[in-house]
Amino acid sequence: EVQLVQSGAEMKKPGESLTISCGGSGFSFTSYWIIWVRQMPGKGLEWMGRIDPTDSYTNYSPSFQGHVTISADKSISTAYLHWSRLGASDTAMYYCARRNSGYDFFDYWGQGTLVTVSS
Amino acid sequence: DIQMTQSPSTLSASVGDRVTITCRASQSIATWLAWYQQKPGKAPKLLIYKSSNLESGVPSRFSGSGSGTEFTLSVSSLQPDDFATYYCQHYNGYPYSFGQGTKLEIK
Repeated sequence: EVQLVQSGAEMKKPGESLTISCGGSGFSFTSYWIIWVRQMPGKGLEWMGRIDPTDSYTNYSPSFQGHVTISADKSISTAYLHWSRLGASDTAMYYCARRNSGYDFFDYWGQGTLVTVSS
Repeated sequence: DIQMTQSPSTLSASVGDRVTITCRASQSIATWLAWYQQKPGKAPKLLIYKSSNLESGVPSRFSGSGSGTEFTLSVSSLQPDDFATYYCQHYNGYPYSFGQGTKLEIK
């Protein structure tokens, strides 16, 4: 069974750093890109970026470029989303998802990680 | 960047109704469009890809159509489990983007 399991909810203060994770199982992790999506409270879905776990090549949405870093450790089938400096506007649910092997839609999703940034 | 616009934002319907949601792209995306269903507190679920292809396990009452800039998602006979928010997503090059969502409510 294909599964993406994300790390648990986080509560942070503005200016702090954070890394959340997304572990894959039930499929060949290096055969699929992993993407990250943000959903702010009560809002829609925003594509943040993607990574190819084979070589860690990334693409970012211009809206998120420079503010987050996507990485992966293929040896443990895990992708990461990192902030070096959080702001209150980073408060959101973050989902990882698996890109379909051939095309850029997303066929399996993690359960989401809620990040709350508040002083 | 390609902008995706869904209509309506909210749709009220009854069990057994047929409903249609529209998604418009700001430029042609051929048939590079997917639809997702999201229920409160849950991750999105893929319903349809490449405009009209039903994902495995998705009930056949769901269907998609369209090409270029205008697309539709239809549900032929609403079931209680179908009341949720629906999003379209283009994948005609980076950056991918989603529509703002259509909330399907029980009338």
